[in-house]
Amino acid sequence: GAVVSQHPSWVICKSGTSVKIECRSLDFQATTMFWYRQFPKQSLMLMATSNEGSKATYEQGVEKDKFLINHASLTLSTLTVTSAHPEDSSFYICSARAVSGSDTDTQYFGPGTRLTVL
Amino acid sequence: KQEVTQIPAALSVPEGENLVLNCSFTDSAIYNLQWFRQDPGKGLTSLLLIQSSQREQTSGRLNASLDKSSGRSTLYIAASQPGDSATYLCAVETSGSRLTFGEGTQLTVNP
Repeated sequence: GAVVSQHPSWVICKSGTSVKIECRSLDFQATTMFWYRQFPKQSLMLMATSNEGSKATYEQGVEKDKFLINHASLTLSTLTVTSAHPEDSSFYICSARAVSGSDTDTQYFGPGTRLTVL
Repeated sequence: KQEVTQIPAALSVPEGENLVLNCSFTDSAIYNLQWFRQDPGKGLTSLLLIQSSQREQTSGRLNASLDKSSGRSTLYIAASQPGDSATYLCAVETSGSRLTFGEGTQLTVNP
């Protein structure tokens, strides 16, 4: 089956620093990747949609200058949390949609990255 | 704005029981509905995807139904096992490939 990886799986950083999270589709190409945030005991909230070779589309209320998204290839998207603050501490999950085949409607999810900002 | 609600928020059952998880959504203009499983601190595992034109999907002990007109879906788990313990999320896809998730049902199956 399709596999999506994320790196790192967890990260602890100091307030004011920037953190980059990678999302890779390992065995398929994805024109579209999605970034979600999940706070404890809450559901996933879509942050942005990332399309290969173009600018990301951010959901209402998500600061695009704070959460920088780059989708440089069909297998890699990165989320950079700039000038992180404690309120950015969360579980960040990416998903990827296959380019072609019968599973084009399925989003495959990564294992998530736990970010803790001190 | 699409809203997804899942009932119950938590459920505890003895091993072997059959159970039903409920999901409702406010806007019936969906492309599909998907059920996921999430273990603590982990990502999501897709269980079943039902296209808007379909009524149900089955995989092993799992059966999901969709009534788009009434905005409802159920996930039926037969002969539950302790390994089924997890949070189950339903999500609907609307335009722009956007997934809207429910809050989830935390299931505990006791041995």
